[in-house]
Parts: sequence; structure tokens; C-alpha cells
Amino acid sequence: DTAVSQTPKYLVTQMGNDKSIKCEQNLGHDTMYWYKQDSKKFLKIMFSYNNKELIINETVPNRFSPKSPDKAHLNLHINSLELGDSAVYFCATRAAGGTNGYTFGSGTRLTVV
Amino acid sequence: GDSVTQMEGPVTLSEEAFLTINCTYTATGYPSLFWYVQYPGEGLQLLLKATKADDKGSNKGFEATYRKETTSFHLEKGSVQVSDSAVYFCALSEGPDMRFGAGTRLTVKP
Repeated sequence: DTAVSQTPKYLVTQMGNDKSIKCEQNLGHDTMYWYKQDSKKFLKIMFSYNNKELIINETVPNRFSPKSPDKAHLNLHINSLELGDSAVYFCATRAAGGTNGYTFGSGTRLTVV
Repeated sequence: GDSVTQMEGPVTLSEEAFLTINCTYTATGYPSLFWYVQYPGEGLQLLLKATKADDKGSNKGFEATYRKETTSFHLEKGSVQVSDSAVYFCALSEGPDMRFGAGTRLTVKP
């Protein structure tokens, strides 16, 4: 069983479309995150949920909207996709306590054409 | 705000060479420090961590020591293998989120 699974792994879509990426974890961790990794490997935090409550909401376009239906799931919906949204999006989870590391999913490579 | 600076790559070494990847940090309090590794096409994996000054984290032959006086957490390995080729990220955490360095790509040649 994969601890943090993301779907889809690859997503190619046209500009202007709306798409969703899903993340599910079976670790029982309290906190889930979305990160964006650009072509130079730079990682930028986007959102974080703790027990379904939004706790981090970095400066990202409001075309991006996270949703956490329950503690094990965190989805990312993107409206009106733009070329600059092309990146790898990672879901990550963390057990309670600031000394714990993250467990990452394997990523979703989004290509907007 | 908190930040992490790590040496720019890419780093290219021959098998069995000694590896150092430098990492320094800026933080207002007492962060936990981490090293992650990312293999091609995969997510980041936690390599090691240290949660207080003078702690040494170690895993798979890699180690790093939390140095408060120099605000550093350099990654070292005594003898690298081809399979260590990957991108390495230094990170710090003081609260709910984690700040990552820009990543250092390591290539090990046989």
C-alpha cells in the first residue's frame, strides 16, 4: 500500500481547462500539504490542511483551490489553466509535532499546452 | 523569515569519492533541520534529520551535524556510489511548514 498516493501521475491539458489532482494518505497523519516544484527543482509551499482545516494559504492565484473532504484526502482544483502552471505538484503529509519530517507522494507532472 | 541556502550544483564525483554538500540556515528560533533526497521521477524522501544543536543525523552512510554556532547542517558521505546520484534538499522547520533549499544535483560516475 502506497503511504501517500497522488493521481494522476501525468496530466497534459490545454490552456483554459479546469483540472483536479487528488491525494490520499493511509498514514493517519494530521497535516497535509501541496507543494509546487518548478523546472529548476525549486519547491514552493502552496497550501496546508490540519484535520480538514486550512492552516497555510500562501500567495497563489485564486484559480487554485484546495479541498479536504476528510483527514485522509487533500485535493487540488485548478481553474482556467495557464502555461505557467506547468510544474510537478507534490502532496506531502506530516505527523503531529514540528520535529517530524514529511512523507511525499510521487508527484503529478502537469503540462499545460 | 526562515530560509535555507545550499551550495549550487551540479556536483559531479567519481565513485568512492568524499561528498560534502553545504547548507546554512537563517531562523528566528530553534528549528529542526532535514535532508531530503529526490531520485528522478520520484517524490522527495527523508534522508536524515536533527532536532537540536549538536545532534547528528545519519542514514545510509550519510550524516549531518546541527551546528548552531555556524548555523549550518552540511551533508557528508565518505564514499559515494553511482546509486547516490540524485537531487539533495536541505530544509528547516520551526512550525507547521517546512522551508527547502534550492536543491543540489549530485552525479556520481563509475
